[in-house]
Amino acid sequence: AQSVAQPEDQVNVAEGNPLTVKCTYSVSGNPYLFWYVQYPNRGLQFLLKYITGDNLVKGSYGFEAEFNKSQTSFHLKKPSALVSDSALYFCAVRGGYQKVTFGIGTKLQVIP
Amino acid sequence: GAGVSQTPSNKVTEKGKYVELRCDPISGHTALYWYRQSLGQGPEFLIYFQGTGAADDSGLPNDRFFAVRPEGSVSTLKIQRTERGDSAVYLCASSLKQQDEQFFGPGTRLTVL
Repeated sequence: AQSVAQPEDQVNVAEGNPLTVKCTYSVSGNPYLFWYVQYPNRGLQFLLKYITGDNLVKGSYGFEAEFNKSQTSFHLKKPSALVSDSALYFCAVRGGYQKVTFGIGTKLQVIP
Repeated sequence: GAGVSQTPSNKVTEKGKYVELRCDPISGHTALYWYRQSLGQGPEFLIYFQGTGAADDSGLPNDRFFAVRPEGSVSTLKIQRTERGDSAVYLCASSLKQQDEQFFGPGTRLTVL
């Protein structure tokens, strides 16, 4: 069965500093990897995805993620955090034509 | 263009009652998904439609839950004999094709008293 682990319940970072939100996965075959963000009282929004190709994927709002096959990781990164980035972030994985499995989410708090 | 819409936004019902939750996907999206999200958890897969047919319903917790998509667009999630444990936010998402990113609706918050 496929699975996603987000080891940190919450990540705190000062505004202007780089941020990383961690994600590791387990799946049979080649993975399709996604990051979504959920702002308070709003639906999940797609940030970026890895299907194939370059290991560094760029997405919305200046976010990027690095696919590491050997470590089965897909960490979300941003060079300079904004207070408005504070939200709940979900990593998700799909193997082949299977359903998408989401992690439990990581709360990002950017401190002014 | 319009995103995924869900109605109602909130539904309060009594234990044992029947409820229907509606999802209007983005026009032209062939794939439609239902998830359930409890507090402090990620979305939990329920069922996936490709066109009118349920391609994967392995996430439905039991036979009280059923979903339809008769014309390949709007979908309805039906819950019979609701239980307090069914209380959660029910999310709908659609994608152009099954392997694409999903676009989520705002969800329906179901409360079973």
